[in-house]
Amino acid sequence: SQKIEQNSEALNIQEGKTATLTCNYTNYSPAYLQWYRQDPGRGPVFLLLIRENEKEKRKERLKVTFDTTLKQSLFHITASQPADSATYLCALDMDSSASKIIFGSGTRLSIRP
Amino acid sequence: DGGITQSPKYLFRKEGQNVTLSCEQNLNHDAMYWYRQDPGQGLRLIYYSQIVNDFQKGDIAEGYSVSREKKESFPLTVTSAQKNPTAFYLCASRISGNNEQFFGPGTRLTVL
Repeated sequence: SQKIEQNSEALNIQEGKTATLTCNYTNYSPAYLQWYRQDPGRGPVFLLLIRENEKEKRKERLKVTFDTTLKQSLFHITASQPADSATYLCALDMDSSASKIIFGSGTRLSIRP
Repeated sequence: DGGITQSPKYLFRKEGQNVTLSCEQNLNHDAMYWYRQDPGQGLRLIYYSQIVNDFQKGDIAEGYSVSREKKESFPLTVTSAQKNPTAFYLCASRISGNNEQFFGPGTRLTVL
């Protein structure tokens, strides 16, 4: 069956450390993988997109990797801050039309001062 | 301000009543989407529309209906046939050729 799993329902780390979130999938062949941030009671906000032929993408303190062999993406936040506390969703995008995007259930990240 | 709006933010309805959730965007985006989010779960696609006057069912379309008469608007009706309608509903839009989705603030529907 097709599945997308984000390991760890919740992740608690100390401010200043690097947070690493995992997204694993089975029986999908996504052309793109996206990461979104969602704050409580709000809609998700797009953070990064990585293509199947890209190994790594960076944006400020954020880094995403995409391993199509392992069927896994890692999302890193370096020098984490309490303001980074939120739920992070990964999403599989099958083609450039983006007609159908499959979302994971998310990982709730808490950064303690 | 450009953006995507949903109204109302909170909605209460009695069981057996149909209810329509509003979604409007002034981003000139072609595609619009409706998702449902339940506690501890990801977003599940209800319906999407890539062009005016055309829409497709998502994974959980039963008990829902939509229309796309204007590019800017994509209302969702939750009918009495939807067995468990209490949830957080999110509308999103996307411009052709760009995979990023822009989300509205969501409507929390509670059926009493």
